[in-house]
Amino acid sequence: EDQVTQSPEALRLQEGESSSLNCSYTVSGLRGLFWYRQDPGKGPEFLFTLYSAGEEKEKERLKATLTKKESFLHITAPKPEDSATYLCAVQGGSEKLVFGKGMKLTVNP
Amino acid sequence: NAGVTQTPKFQVLKTGQSMTLQCAQDMNHEYMSWYRQDPGMGLRLIHYSVGAGITDQGEVPNGYNVSRSTTEDFPLRLLSAAPSQTSVYFCASAKAQGGYTFGSGTRLTVV
Repeated sequence: EDQVTQSPEALRLQEGESSSLNCSYTVSGLRGLFWYRQDPGKGPEFLFTLYSAGEEKEKERLKATLTKKESFLHITAPKPEDSATYLCAVQGGSEKLVFGKGMKLTVNP
Repeated sequence: NAGVTQTPKFQVLKTGQSMTLQCAQDMNHEYMSWYRQDPGMGLRLIHYSVGAGITDQGEVPNGYNVSRSTTEDFPLRLLSAAPSQTSVYFCASAKAQGGYTFGSGTRLTVV
């Protein structure tokens, strides 16, 4: 069964304090690993898809990387508007998209 | 281009009532899914579909039915509502191996 574990569950940073979020996964036949951002009261917003180990993608202050067992979302010099819940998900051979429980990021000014 | 449209946005049901949560997408996406989101539990997959006429169960399918008669629509039916089904429900759609686009959610309370 496909599984995703995110750590830490919550993270508080000061503005400008860089950090990384971890997503560990087990999946049968990885088709893609996905990162989403979710703001309170809204649906998840797509950030990145990674398809194979060694792949990296960037968007503004966010950079996602992928190995055969985990993915990292690196946040460089975060701003208060980066505060949100970040979700990791995997899609395997079953075509189902399975999510982790998410990681709540708070960036204080 | 409306994306993924969910209706209603809010609903209160009495225990035992039935209802249908509507989901429509206008992006010609093959894949559609229904999730429920509860505090501390993350997004859990209820049912999903990889194309019209094809549906399959996710992690928490009990008490819910789906059908996919068209590419655009993927309604979720609650057969006999229970308080345990109080949750926020999200519909999502995607191209094969693409990122899913989510709707804005339906907040359901069962009393």
